[in-house]
Amino acid sequence: GAVVSQHPSWVICKSGTSVKIECRSLDFQATTMFWYRQFPKQSLMLMATSNEGSKATYEQGVEKDKFLINHASLTLSTLTVTSAHPEDSSFYICSARVWLWTSGMTDTQYFGPGTRLTVL
Amino acid sequence: GIQVEQSPPDLILQEGANSTLRCNFSDSVNNLQWFHQNPWGQLINLFYIPSGTKQNGRLSATTVATERYSLLYISSSQTTDSGVYFCAVGGYNQGGKLIFGQGTELSVKP
Repeated sequence: GAVVSQHPSWVICKSGTSVKIECRSLDFQATTMFWYRQFPKQSLMLMATSNEGSKATYEQGVEKDKFLINHASLTLSTLTVTSAHPEDSSFYICSARVWLWTSGMTDTQYFGPGTRLTVL
Repeated sequence: GIQVEQSPPDLILQEGANSTLRCNFSDSVNNLQWFHQNPWGQLINLFYIPSGTKQNGRLSATTVATERYSLLYISSSQTTDSGVYFCAVGGYNQGGKLIFGQGTELSVKP
């Protein structure tokens, strides 16, 4: 259980175009999803929190007009990189928050496989 | 915000060796997770362990919340254990957000 998919797994685009990345929870409903970006040999940096039916909450320094997030259903969140430029090239990863009760409450995140974006 | 430090940054082992990875954090947390990122970038959940000790096969983890650290033990390492191990913590009233450490890159040689 708790499988998260991302599409596409990789994308190459020209500078100035927009790219949409989808994040789906396949076998559960996710009220809250998170979007991260990761540069080579670095850690994950949280970009925004996506809550179903409400506006995303962006971390400090993340341009909300550049990285549009939509969480229209309990199984789908999308990240659109608008007017992409080479500096937006990165590995984008989504996760879904999962609450489980198994010998105590657990509050975990399950991650998608990531999307590698290259902007030429 | 909470600071998370992992050590060592890099680790090279011979197959069959044991290792201990450490995660220090700067403030009280109500969420701590260990992840393994494989060479293809997929993060795999290892442990949810805000306190106490857990074991899963060759892996075990201990978190001493009062002293603000967590340890991940890998015994009898295998080449498939290679990758980056991340510790991530969440503070109280943070809506489930996690702050990641810089990771420990483990390479297990045959």
